[in-house]
Amino acid sequence: SQTIHQWPATLVQPVGSPLSLECTVEGTSNPNLYWYRQAAGRGLQLLFYSVGIGQISSEVPQNLSASRPQDRQFILSSKKLLLSDSGFYLCAWSQTGIEQYFGPGTRLTVT
Amino acid sequence: TQLLEQSPQFLSIQEGENLTVYCNSSSVFSSLQWYRQEPGEGPVLLVTVVTGGEVKKLKRLTFQFGDARKDSSLHITAAQPGDTGLYLCAGARGNDYKLSFGAGTTVTVRA
Repeated sequence: SQTIHQWPATLVQPVGSPLSLECTVEGTSNPNLYWYRQAAGRGLQLLFYSVGIGQISSEVPQNLSASRPQDRQFILSSKKLLLSDSGFYLCAWSQTGIEQYFGPGTRLTVT
Repeated sequence: TQLLEQSPQFLSIQEGENLTVYCNSSSVFSSLQWYRQEPGEGPVLLVTVVTGGEVKKLKRLTFQFGDARKDSSLHITAAQPGDTGLYLCAGARGNDYKLSFGAGTTVTVRA
């Protein structure tokens, strides 16, 4: 069966510091991978998605970037965090692009 | 502007009552999904509907896709405290690899 991991689970970082969130998927190959951000109790905002190694599509221009160095690894990064980067970050995978399966999320607080 | 509008935003009911959550759009979707999310966790896929007019049942949950594939509803019969959570609808358009999410409906079932 497929599993998706995200780490860290929680993170508190000062403004201006760098960020690296990691997502890995097991039990499937060549998945579509997605990064979302969620405000408290609200819907999901798509940040990036990838249909293959090195292929990244950005949905919202902002202070973040994404990379996919391996087939089942997706990384979300920032060089300098802003207060507005705080939120709940979710990684998801899909084979069809329609049905998506989410990781447990990372709670990021920028102070 | 949200592509998918969910209503109501909040819903609080007593155990044993019925509830309906709505997801509406002016756009046509090739498929629509419903997810449930508990605090601090990633959303979990409940169902996918793909045919206009389709009705799917999952135990006490009934999902309907509108005839024109622009809207959907989720009906819960005899709600239980375990049904508490954030319910999210999400739609796919054409051959896009992306989903558009509604803002969610927070459901609280009181014992």
